[in-house]
Amino acid sequence: KAGVTQTPRYLIKTRGQQVTLSCSPISGHRSVSWYQQTPGQGLQFLFEYFSETQRNKGNFPGRFSGRQFSNSRSEMNVSTLELGDSALYLCASSSSGTALQETQYFGPGTRLLVL
Amino acid sequence: AQSVTQLGSHVSVSEGALVLLRCNYSSSVPPYLFWYVQYPNQGLQLLLKYTSAATLVKGINGFEAEFKKSETSFHLTKPSAHMSDAAEYFCAVSEGRTGNQFYFGTGTSLTVIP
Repeated sequence: KAGVTQTPRYLIKTRGQQVTLSCSPISGHRSVSWYQQTPGQGLQFLFEYFSETQRNKGNFPGRFSGRQFSNSRSEMNVSTLELGDSALYLCASSSSGTALQETQYFGPGTRLLVL
Repeated sequence: AQSVTQLGSHVSVSEGALVLLRCNYSSSVPPYLFWYVQYPNQGLQLLLKYTSAATLVKGINGFEAEFKKSETSFHLTKPSAHMSDAAEYFCAVSEGRTGNQFYFGTGTSLTVIP
């Protein structure tokens, strides 16, 4: 089975722009979660999607949004980029996301640099 | 909300020495705990997870972790460090009333000295 894939792997944007990141989960997985990883804040949960619906949300401003398509692929959008949005954005998928013991499988991440 | 604390942001061990990475959790209910490893410029890879089936959990690459409820700990160990173990290690707890949400520790960077 192919793993979680994320595109693009690297991205450079300028302040004020918007960006869309894509994540394809493992085949058959219906839950997709997004995390932001920075040296200062570590790994922080952004949101989780299941069956095209946002099911959990972390503590991030409304500039961060996402969606999930019927094939479980997910996109994350950040509008009005700020310098502090520079980070590694990780996507993770799990089978149903309803069982707490389920493993989340992570993609390689998209490294976003905001200038 | 649950949380995890990783003591020691940087740990250095000699090749062949014992690796011990500490993780403590706070939870009022039985937790589900995970250890992940991250190599440079890569995503996170699952090492092992605790799901209440057994307190001593064996993972990949010779790592294991023991769940100690009395100490609220889930420390990661490996008897003999290898150069390839140099990476960032994250402890995580799973929580979510309507879907799992992972809370990660701040990570421990492991350096292996030849």
